[in-house]
Amino acid sequence: KNQVEQSPQSLIILEGKNCTLQCNYTVSPFSNLRWYKQDTGRGPVSLTIMTFSENTKSNGRYTATLDADTKQSSLHITASQLSDSASYICVVSAGRDDKIIFGKGTRLHILP
Amino acid sequence: DAGVTQSPTHLIKTRGQQVTLRCSPKSGHDTVSWYQQALGQGPQFIFQYYEEEERQRGNFPDRFSGHQFPNYSSELNVNALLLGDSALYLCASSRGPAGGVYQPQHFGDGTRLSIL
Repeated sequence: KNQVEQSPQSLIILEGKNCTLQCNYTVSPFSNLRWYKQDTGRGPVSLTIMTFSENTKSNGRYTATLDADTKQSSLHITASQLSDSASYICVVSAGRDDKIIFGKGTRLHILP
Repeated sequence: DAGVTQSPTHLIKTRGQQVTLRCSPKSGHDTVSWYQQALGQGPQFIFQYYEEEERQRGNFPDRFSGHQFPNYSSELNVNALLLGDSALYLCASSRGPAGGVYQPQHFGDGTRLSIL
């Protein structure tokens, strides 16, 4: 069964600190993996997209990694800011028709 | 350049009623996907429309139906509303039916549907 599991479910860190969010998937055949940021009351916004051959992708202070062998991805946030408080959702696409499977997200809280 | 727009932003209905939600895709996009997001959960795929046809469908009952118009805008219809249909309904647009590897889906801010 195609599944995307994210951990932790929620995370609280102090402003300025770094953090890493995890995503494990059991999706086949793998097409691509995306990380989205969703602010409260807003729609998700794409941060990164990675294919099978890519193992790292950066977008400002956000760096995503992908290990296609172990079917794991991580999103690292450097020097966190209050505006990073949001849900971060891992999304994996499978098959030629890009069937999309969403994780439940990690809720990140940045404290001043 | 307007992004994905959805209307209404909020809606309150009672059980058994019917509802229609609307979505206008981002300029240049021709594919619209609909998602249901319960509180504290990730979005669940409902269906995708391309060339005015339903191309993919998630595990949702026939009470959920949709339509895409020639201008690529789309409607989501839900009949016989249940309490469990209360959720944020998100619309996402992209270019092409599969979205494309380097073409992220662009999401609207959703319609918050509450069933009393």
